Amino acid sequence: GIQVEQSPPDLILQEGANSTLRCNFSDSVNNLQWFHQNPWGQLINLFYIPSGTKQNGRLSATTVATERYSLLYISSSQTTDSGVYFCAVDNTNAGKSTFGDGTTLTVKP
Amino acid sequence: DAGITQSPRHKVTETGTPVTLRCHQTENHRYMYWYRQDPGHGLRLIHYSYGVKDTDKGEVSDGYSVSRSKTEDFLLTLESATSSQTSVYFCAISGPGELFFGEGSRLTVL
Repeated sequence: GIQVEQSPPDLILQEGANSTLRCNFSDSVNNLQWFHQNPWGQLINLFYIPSGTKQNGRLSATTVATERYSLLYISSSQTTDSGVYFCAVDNTNAGKSTFGDGTTLTVKP
Repeated sequence: DAGITQSPRHKVTETGTPVTLRCHQTENHRYMYWYRQDPGHGLRLIHYSYGVKDTDKGEVSDGYSVSRSKTEDFLLTLESATSSQTSVYFCAISGPGELFFGEGSRLTVL
């Protein structure tokens, strides 16, 4: 099956810093999503981005499907950005997504 | 928020007992999924459904069965729970396309 690698596995930032999270995948995909799992365990949809660039406030994402990677940018980080960020990709037509192991982000005040 | 409700949210049970987790959606989405999440890992697909009475296996289906008798309900059953099935279980729905998750059910098998 498709392989998904996220980097870095852990990231510690001071509040206000910027960061870039990366997701590499081993095959072409139909769908790609970024999720934030907050400290309470909820999975929050950030971006649905099989290709191109999207922005939502301080967060933006870019997927280069031909080169099989996606980037999540977080600017002016806040303590509430802490948690685990997952990339999930789907190369089926049934929405059967494969998840990476996540990037754990800690933002310190 | 997507209308997805999981029950129970927390359960402690003993090895060898049957357990059923329920996922209920109000979005009328065709596809429903059960994932499990273990410490330090992403989510792994257990089973999914592409319509009423239409289900198929995912990556980690051994020891689990599912049923979908109505569009809105997707049940995950552990026929005889084992300690290795201690995990957080997430239900998800999609059109297909974008996945939306429920809040999770934490299962502990002693």
